[in-house]
Amino acid sequence: QKEVEQNSGPLSVPEGAIASLNCTYSDRGSQSFFWYRQYSGKSPELIMSIYSNGDKEDGRFTAQLNKASQYVSLLIRDSQPSDSATYLCAVEGGQNFVFGPGTRLSVLP
Amino acid sequence: GAGVSQSPSNKVTEKGKDVELRCDPISGHTALYWYRQSLGQGLEFLIYFQGNSAPDKSGLPSDRFSAERTGGSVSTLTIQRTQQEDSAVYLCASSLLSTRYNEQFFGPGTRLTVL
Repeated sequence: QKEVEQNSGPLSVPEGAIASLNCTYSDRGSQSFFWYRQYSGKSPELIMSIYSNGDKEDGRFTAQLNKASQYVSLLIRDSQPSDSATYLCAVEGGQNFVFGPGTRLSVLP
Repeated sequence: GAGVSQSPSNKVTEKGKDVELRCDPISGHTALYWYRQSLGQGLEFLIYFQGNSAPDKSGLPSDRFSAERTGGSVSTLTIQRTQQEDSAVYLCASSLLSTRYNEQFFGPGTRLTVL
């Protein structure tokens, strides 16, 4: 059974701080990793994808991948109240995705 | 361009009735996925289509659930003899699946309420 784990939160950070979201996965053969943001009552929205070890930056977002440790993270710099949402980690398992349970982030003004 | 669309956006039905949920993927996307999300829960994979075939039906929770996709485009998820535990948001996603970069894009979902 392929599994993806995340801390459920809530993770609370003050406005302007760095939010760090973590995800571990069980399938060592996984090649593709994704972060989705889901606002309450809305559908998931893709914000980052990463395929190689190391860091990938896009604006205020940085995804980090370490395949040896089976670990992927998302850093959000200069966090804003509008970043408050649930963040879902997804790992490609074959031709399907396995989603983590999500981490609820709350950015406090 | 247009994203993934789903209809209806909301469906209220009585226990025991059949319902059909529709998904129209992004044009040109060959792969289509159905998920279910109960209130406050994570995403539960239901079924995956590549073209018109469904190589992975492992997530369908019971034989009351079925899905089809015709013409490599629109998909319909059918739930027969609905039960109250079927109440959830049903999400559809599509992807290009032409490379290893299998980014899935979600529709707005159908909120199903079984009374």
